[in-house]
Amino acid sequence: QVQLLQSGAEVKKPGASVKVSCKASGYIFSRHTVHWVRQAPGQRLEWMGWINAGSGKTQYSQKFQVRVTITRDTSANTAYMELSSLTSEDTAVYYCARTYGSGSYYPWGQGTLVTVSS
Amino acid sequence: AIRVTQSPSSFSASTGDRVTITCRASQDINSYLAWYQQKPGRAPNLLIYGASTLQSGVPSRFSGSGSGTDFTLTISRLQSEDFATYFCQQYYSYPHTFGQGTKLEI
Repeated sequence: QVQLLQSGAEVKKPGASVKVSCKASGYIFSRHTVHWVRQAPGQRLEWMGWINAGSGKTQYSQKFQVRVTITRDTSANTAYMELSSLTSEDTAVYYCARTYGSGSYYPWGQGTLVTVSS
Repeated sequence: AIRVTQSPSSFSASTGDRVTITCRASQDINSYLAWYQQKPGRAPNLLIYGASTLQSGVPSRFSGSGSGTDFTLTISRLQSEDFATYFCQQYYSYPHTFGQGTKLEI
């Protein structure tokens, strides 16, 4: 079945970068867009950006534009999200999700907890 | 960015109840709205897309309606497994934005 499997939890110090992976299975990876969304404690879900897994084209939220890089490796059916210059406010669960239909998200990865602490 | 406001933020109900959650967008989003269910420690799961289309495998007690700026999610007869948090999402334009969530409690 269609599935997205994310990398494990990370603990980072302020100022560091984190790279989260999202491995797709059960569908043709290059035919779909993958989004990244985060959920900070007590906050609503927040869209970060997407990548067209076929062309590699990306679009980022203005909020994260200067700090986020989304890439993909089609040979590994994997998308990546790298966030730099981390602060404690970046502590959150990060999700990848595939575009479904006109723009809803299905399925989602299981989430990756990133904790930023000195 | 399009603001999405959900209400109520939390709600207490009993099994067998009929529950309605509303979502309002700050501008016309046609029918580009989805509803998700999220249980603690789990990823969101798609329930409804296109404002009213039930995702495959989702029980028929879930339904969605609305277009433009006002939308509703209705659960016709609550089951124990329905106690969770529900989010709406607009995908009319980027950045995609989400409601703040409605926590449905027993």
